[in-house]
Amino acid sequence: SYVLTQAPSVSVAPGQTARITCGGNRIGDKGVHWYQQKAGQAPLLIIYEDDDRPSGIPERISGSNSGDTATLTISRVEAGDEADYYCQVWDGNSYFALFGGGTKLTVL
Amino acid sequence: VQLVQSGGGSIQPGGSLRLSCAISGFTVTSNYFGWVRQPPGKGLEWVSVTYSDGSSYYAESVKGRFSVSRDTSKDLVFLQMNSLRAEDTAVYYCARVAAGPSGSRFDLWGQGALVTVSS
Repeated sequence: SYVLTQAPSVSVAPGQTARITCGGNRIGDKGVHWYQQKAGQAPLLIIYEDDDRPSGIPERISGSNSGDTATLTISRVEAGDEADYYCQVWDGNSYFALFGGGTKLTVL
Repeated sequence: VQLVQSGGGSIQPGGSLRLSCAISGFTVTSNYFGWVRQPPGKGLEWVSVTYSDGSSYYAESVKGRFSVSRDTSKDLVFLQMNSLRAEDTAVYYCARVAAGPSGSRFDLWGQGALVTVSS
């Protein structure tokens, strides 16, 4: 079965750039979506189809996807970016969604 | 445009519970919906997807025990959970599914409902 692998945690200082990766076999052939989940809140879609941003998501949040790795990049990190981040793909042949295990972003 | 959930609570193993998801700002019949759960302190797990024609697909972990239904006159979506187990303990989210050329995503989420299965 297909597996999405995320590092459990990433730490970055304010103002720096955070990169959160999502690994999967030939994930570049799939559309990857990213969610931000702050403590006690529901997830929020922040990137869809690899690199598109929903309305209201700032431009300093971006995504890319190639080969076996999809990457969520958060530039000029702020304290308010501290959250768990999840990648997700969809298996259209089997009609199911798959999430990565999540990465906790800590702002130092 | 929002999803408002209700119906969580505590239940003994083997029991049943129904979660509701009230849709406002759009209609049940013209959209796809999914359920995603999150065990305490853990990550997101997909549970089900229901298409606009009413057809549903389920994760293996809940297949045969959970089912989704809709009340199209009231724009409600329900998750019926039977034969509940301790490992079903989680916050359950309903979410709108947006289809895309390279896969679907969950673009609008309810606030979540906690289901605790314990004796």
